[in-house]
Amino acid sequence: DAMVIQNPRYQVTQFGKPVTLSCSQTLNHNVMYWYQQKSSQAPKLLFHYYDKDFNNEADTPDNFQSRRPNTSFCFLDIRSPGLGDAAMYLCATSRASGTTDTQYFGPGTRLTVL
Amino acid sequence: AQSVTQLDSQVPVFEEAPVELRCNYSSSVSVYLFWYVQYPNQGLQLLLKYLSGSTLVKGINGFEAEFNKSQTSFHLRKPSVHISDTAEYFCAVSDRPGGGADGLTFGKGTHLIIQP
Repeated sequence: DAMVIQNPRYQVTQFGKPVTLSCSQTLNHNVMYWYQQKSSQAPKLLFHYYDKDFNNEADTPDNFQSRRPNTSFCFLDIRSPGLGDAAMYLCATSRASGTTDTQYFGPGTRLTVL
Repeated sequence: AQSVTQLDSQVPVFEEAPVELRCNYSSSVSVYLFWYVQYPNQGLQLLLKYLSGSTLVKGINGFEAEFNKSQTSFHLRKPSVHISDTAEYFCAVSDRPGGGADGLTFGKGTHLIIQP
C-alpha cells in the first residue's frame, strides 16, 4: 500500500556525474516536494511543484533541477554532484497547499558521491 | 521568518519510563505545528499536528503534545515508552495548515534512545 515511492533507495554516483532520483505517488496529490536531509540535520526544502507550477526555494543551488511530467511522477536531477551533495533526499506530497492536508513522505533515497 | 529549536539532540530513556521531547518555535505569524518520526532508513511519518482548538493534541502510538503560545513551545510527551519508539523525532512549523506551499520548517531533530 505504498503511497509515496522513491527509487532507488540507495544511489551511488561519481563526483560530477549527473544523477536522477525518482518519486512517484498513488495519492493523486496536487503538490510534490523535494527535501534534502544531510547527516544529523533537519530536512530542508529544495523546491516543490503545485500541479505544473514549479516553485524554487531562494537558496537552492542551480545544480539542482526538477521535472514533473505528470501528476504521479516527479524527478530530482543533480547536474554535477559534489561531495557536499551527499544526503538523504526525501520526496513528499500533499493534496493542496494552504489546506489542512498532511504532507506524506516517501522512504527517501540516500545519495553517496564518490 | 520561522524557526524551530529542539533543545536536545539525544534523549536516553529507560523502557516504560515517561519521556518529553522539547520544541520551541519562533514565528511572526500564526503557526501550525507538527511532530514527525523517522525510523532508521525510512521517511518521515506524521505523529500529530496542532492547527487550532484544544492545545492538547493526541497523536498515534500514544504520543501527545501541548501547544503553549505564551512559551512558544510544542513539547511531545509519552507516558510510557517502548523499545520500538527508538527513532529520530522532528518538530516542524508552517504558516499554512497543511504545511503546503512553502513547505515545513524543521528542527534539527531529537534522537530518542530507549534503554532496556
